Order: sequence, then C-alpha cells, then structure tokens
Amino acid sequence: AQSVTQPDIHITVSEGASLELRCNYSYGATPYLFWYVQSPGQGLQLLLKYFSGDTLVQGIKGFEAEFKRSQSSFNLRKPSVHWSDAAEYFCAVGATGRRALTFGSGTRLQVQP
Amino acid sequence: ETGVTQSPTHLIKTRGQQVTLRCSSQSGHNTVSWYQQALGQGPQFIFQYYREEENGRGNFPPRFSGLQFPNYSSELNVNALELDDSALYLCASSLGSWTEAYEQYFGPGTRLTVT
Repeated sequence: AQSVTQPDIHITVSEGASLELRCNYSYGATPYLFWYVQSPGQGLQLLLKYFSGDTLVQGIKGFEAEFKRSQSSFNLRKPSVHWSDAAEYFCAVGATGRRALTFGSGTRLQVQP
Repeated sequence: ETGVTQSPTHLIKTRGQQVTLRCSSQSGHNTVSWYQQALGQGPQFIFQYYREEENGRGNFPPRFSGLQFPNYSSELNVNALELDDSALYLCASSLGSWTEAYEQYFGPGTRLTVT
C-alpha cells in the first residue's frame, strides 16, 4: 500500500525567505504526486502535479516541486515566501486502481513579518 | 467554469442520527470522490463514484454510503453517527479518464459535529 510522510509538522519562515517542504512517499510503481494547500477552515487547492516527464514541475503561486525517484521524494519549494502563503500544505500520492489520493498528515507553514 | 460546491457548510447532529451531505461537481467532471478530514489530519479516502457507480472504497464501514446522480452531483450518507465521525467532509471532482482521474479538485467541505 502507498503512504506519504511529511516529516515537518510545523515550519516557520520569515517573509521573503526561501521555503522547502519535505515529502517522502512509499509506492511500488511510478507515482502520481500532488501538492495541495489548505487555508484554515477551507477546502484543498491544487498547487501542482507530477505524472511523468520533467522531474521539476511548476505550479501556481510561484511554487515548484522536484520529483527524485532515488530518494522517493517530492519536495515543494518557493524562492520567496509571502505572508499570504501561511497555510497547511499536503502532499499526496495517487493510488492505482481506485484512483484515490493518499495524503500525508500535512505541514503547517507560519510566516513571520 | 463552476467549481465544486458542497452543502451544507456546517452541520450539528446527535450520536445515532443519520446525515446527508451534498456535492456538485465542477463543470465537465464525471467522477466524484469523498474524503474525511479529522482535525489535524490529512484527508482520508472514503469512496469514489464514476458515472453513477461506486469505483473504489477506502477503509470505512458500510454505514458510510453514497450516490451519484446523472448530472454527476453526489451525496454522502452516514448512518448511526458516532462521535468520531466529527470531521470536515470534502468532496472532489475529476475527469474519469486514467491520469485525469487523479487530478482532483476539492470543494470547501462540510464541517460535521456529532454530539
């Protein structure tokens, strides 16, 4: 069965600083990988996705993620964080067959002025 | 393009009661998935419907059931509510083709509180 680990429960960065959120997955085949963002009390917004091809994928709001098969990782990055980026971030992997998403437990991002 | 909508926004029920949550898919999408998100956790897959048929189910008991209608809207029904059913219930829609089915767009959720 597939699983997703987000090692960092809570991260605090200063506005304008760079950001990297870690995601490790466990899956036997080529994974479909996603990053979602959730503001308090809201649903999930898709930031970016990886199906195949170029291992560096660009998303919305200036985010990017890099798929590294050798490390089973799909880390999310942003060169300069804005106060509006404060939210919960979820990494997810697609499960073959039922086409469901398996989510990590999330990383809460706090942005200091 | 209309996004995914869910109703109601909030709901308070008593243990043992039954509840129905509703979801309207994003325009053009024929697949609906439901997830349960407990406080402080990531969403957990409940089940998925594709063209009115259940297309996969997560580790949830049979008292969680669903429907999908010809217009691809969907309902989640939960019978015999338990306190642990208190959570944010998220609906997501996608296209039914292979890779596109994984690209799921979520609604704002229904917050269910069971007392």
